[in-house]
Amino acid sequence: SQTIHQWPATLVQPVGSPLSLECTVEGTSNPNLYWYRQAAGRGLQLLFYSVGIGQISSEVPQNLSASRPQDRQFILSSKKLLLSDSGFYLCAWTFGQGYGYTFGSGTRLTVV
Amino acid sequence: GENVEQHPSTLSVQEGDSAVIKCTYSDSASNYFPWYKQELGKGPQLIIDIRSNVGEKKDQRIAVTLNKTAKHFSLHITETQPEDSAVYFCAGNTGGFKTIFGAGTRLFVKA
Repeated sequence: SQTIHQWPATLVQPVGSPLSLECTVEGTSNPNLYWYRQAAGRGLQLLFYSVGIGQISSEVPQNLSASRPQDRQFILSSKKLLLSDSGFYLCAWTFGQGYGYTFGSGTRLTVV
Repeated sequence: GENVEQHPSTLSVQEGDSAVIKCTYSDSASNYFPWYKQELGKGPQLIIDIRSNVGEKKDQRIAVTLNKTAKHFSLHITETQPEDSAVYFCAGNTGGFKTIFGAGTRLFVKA
């Protein structure tokens, strides 16, 4: 069966510090991978998605970036965090187009 | 592009009653409609989905209906229980790489 791992679960970082969140999927190959952000009590904002190694599509500008160095690894990064980067970050995967997502357990990021 | 609107934003029901959440979509090419349940502090979980060639789908106490002509779909939860309390998201997909989510409905089931 397929599993998705996301870490860390919580993170408190000072403004201006770097960020690296990691997501890995097991039990499948060539998944579509996604990063979402969710502000408190709000909906799901798509940040990035990837349909293959090294292929990244960005839905949100500026301060964040994503990379897919391996087939089942998806990394969300920032060089300098802003207060507005605080939120609940979710990684998700799917078999392909027109299939449901499996979400990770999320990372709650607080920028102070 | 696709837009998915979801109503109501908050829903409160008594335990044992039914709950209905409605969504509308804009892109007639959308052909896949999943529903997700998000409990506090957790990632959303797919609970049921429906494709455009089907009008209704049931799984125990939950059901989803789809009206392609009117471009709306609904989630029905019968015999609600306190553990049904969560945020529910509808979504639409045209077969592309992105799924468009509704804004979510916070469901409270009062014991």
